Amino acid sequence: DVKVTQSSRYLVKRTGEKVFLECVQDMDHENMFWYRQDPGLGLRLIYFSYDVKMKEKGDIPEGYSVSREKKERFSLILESASTNQTSMYLCASSWDRSSGNTIYFGEGSWLTVV
Amino acid sequence: AQRVTQPEKLLSVFKGAPVELKCNYSYSGSPELFWYVQYSRQRLQLLLRHISRESIKGFTADLNKGETSFHLKKPFAQEEDSAMYYCALSLNTGFQKLVFGTGTRLLVSP
Repeated sequence: DVKVTQSSRYLVKRTGEKVFLECVQDMDHENMFWYRQDPGLGLRLIYFSYDVKMKEKGDIPEGYSVSREKKERFSLILESASTNQTSMYLCASSWDRSSGNTIYFGEGSWLTVV
Repeated sequence: AQRVTQPEKLLSVFKGAPVELKCNYSYSGSPELFWYVQYSRQRLQLLLRHISRESIKGFTADLNKGETSFHLKKPFAQEEDSAMYYCALSLNTGFQKLVFGTGTRLLVSP
């Protein structure tokens, strides 16, 4: 079974703190994604990566950065957390660049910024 | 611009009733559409994709390019179908970038 693991399920951080959200996949997937999920807004793509050290902005990259030093790991970084970044963050991965392949999601990381 | 619209936030039906979750899309390219489902306390997972033309858990969805729709249907709803459903559009960028709708919560009552 494909497994996408988000190490932190629940976090509470203070405004201005630097936050790291980690994601690991165990199936040698090339593509990895970070989404945020908000009620009434659905899922919105923050950043994605199609290879090690490669990254592309999604639809809402402001306030976020990412790191992919190893193929299996994709980190989302909030340089200075703000209350409007309180959300559920979903990591996902998929095989390669061809369309039609299934995207696998992690269980999510609930982040509260106070 | 590409967009996926799910007009209903909540759809409430009784067990055994037919279900139709609406999805409309806007995309100038050749669309590839998916339905994802999230059951309570579970991760988001693929339910079905239009290119497979399959039926999963009794659900089907037909791509109608004329109406730019990809509605999800099931003739007889079951309580275990209660979940959050997201329609998603894959952009032909080669990176499987998905654009999601805002989701519809399906509640099936006994």
